[in-house]
Amino acid sequence: EVQLEESGGGLVQPGGSLRLSCVGSGFTFTKYYISWVRQAPGKGLEWVGNINQDGSEKTYVDSVKGRFTISRDNAKNSLYLQMNSLRAEDTAVYYCARDVSSRVADVWGQGTTVTVSS
Amino acid sequence: DIQMTQSPSSLSASVGDRVTITCRASQSISSYLNWYQQKPGKAPKLLIYAASTLQSGVPSTFSGSGSGTDFTLSISSLQPEDFATYYCQQSYSTPRTFGQGTKVEIK
Repeated sequence: EVQLEESGGGLVQPGGSLRLSCVGSGFTFTKYYISWVRQAPGKGLEWVGNINQDGSEKTYVDSVKGRFTISRDNAKNSLYLQMNSLRAEDTAVYYCARDVSSRVADVWGQGTTVTVSS
Repeated sequence: DIQMTQSPSSLSASVGDRVTITCRASQSISSYLNWYQQKPGKAPKLLIYAASTLQSGVPSTFSGSGSGTDFTLSISSLQPEDFATYYCQQSYSTPRTFGQGTKVEIK
């Protein structure tokens, strides 16, 4: 079964850091872009960024540029989201998603919750 | 960034009704348009990609159309399991922006 599973969410103070992980299984991880998408409580979906197959290309939404870093370890079928200088507005459920042709998120994880609060 | 605007924001419908949701892009995105369904507490699910291609396993009651800036998602006969929130997303350029969502509720 094709799956993605996120972990690493939690409660963090404003200005703090957190690293999310996403592990893929049931498919050839190295063939796909992977994206991060988040959803603030009661709000819609926001694309955060993505990374290409070998990790050499990363793209971010402006609101996280310079604070968030996407990386991957293909040997571990894993994707990471390093989040620094966290703000209250970063509070959300964070999903990783497999991108077909870098354009279509066809498989999603169950999400991990990040709460930024003092 | 490309802005995606959905209408309506919410609608009430009955089982068996035909439902249409509209998505408009702030500039031409060719056919780079995806539709997702999300139920409360669950991850989004891909329904349609490239504006009109049905994802494997999605019922044929769902269909998509459009190109350029104007797109529609149609449900030909609403089923109980279709009550959810629907999002469009452009994949023409990054950031890959979503519409604000359309909540389909039971009348």
